[in-house]
Amino acid sequence: LVLTQSPATLSLSPGESAALSCRASQNIDIYLAWYQQKPGQAPRLLIFDVSNRAPGLPARFRGSGSGTDFSLTISSLEPEDSAVYYCQQRGTFGGGTKLEIK
Amino acid sequence: QLHLQESGPGLLKPSETLSLVCDVSGGSVNTPAYYWSWLRQFPGRGPEWIGYIYYSGSADYSRSLFGRAAISLDTSKNQVSLTMTSVTEADSAVYFCARQEIVGAGWFDPWGQGIRVTVSS
Repeated sequence: LVLTQSPATLSLSPGESAALSCRASQNIDIYLAWYQQKPGQAPRLLIFDVSNRAPGLPARFRGSGSGTDFSLTISSLEPEDSAVYYCQQRGTFGGGTKLEIK
Repeated sequence: QLHLQESGPGLLKPSETLSLVCDVSGGSVNTPAYYWSWLRQFPGRGPEWIGYIYYSGSADYSRSLFGRAAISLDTSKNQVSLTMTSVTEADSAVYFCARQEIVGAGWFDPWGQGIRVTVSS
């Protein structure tokens, strides 16, 4: 399984919405998770099984998709959303999307 | 709240054996509900799964490590250990332990803070 994330980098302004993509090389049904990682920190689970938010995660983080195409949408962007975002399915991680909020 | 903390040597020489320990607090490793995993991350790359162990002792590993990794549980100390033999400079990375969900996407949560390991002569 290969997970391909796009774009590699995304630069947006506060208040805008971000759409991050993750494409799987084979059908993985709804079994995909998303993580946020800030410099010097461990990845933090955001979304599991496509659309389930981790406890305490704001509703402006939304996961969607099925099969081979998945998206993480972050609305009303805040400066603290600047991070690298990874998708994951079991032992496979994507290469990440770096989100910059300026 | 579950907390994981990695420890071990931060510097090794090529051909040595890496031994890391993950202390788990706030929950027991002796549970059928989860796997206990090790992962690593190279600069600028996504995390790489190394392997997991189950409370029964069964384990699975990434084929990319060619049998060099072994993960064990110490239920008396509530620890998860990683041993990796014959390290090279290519094994220099930040190593994380994490609890892994068994079903679904098999997500990792929570993670330890990570430990940086450098292999250098």
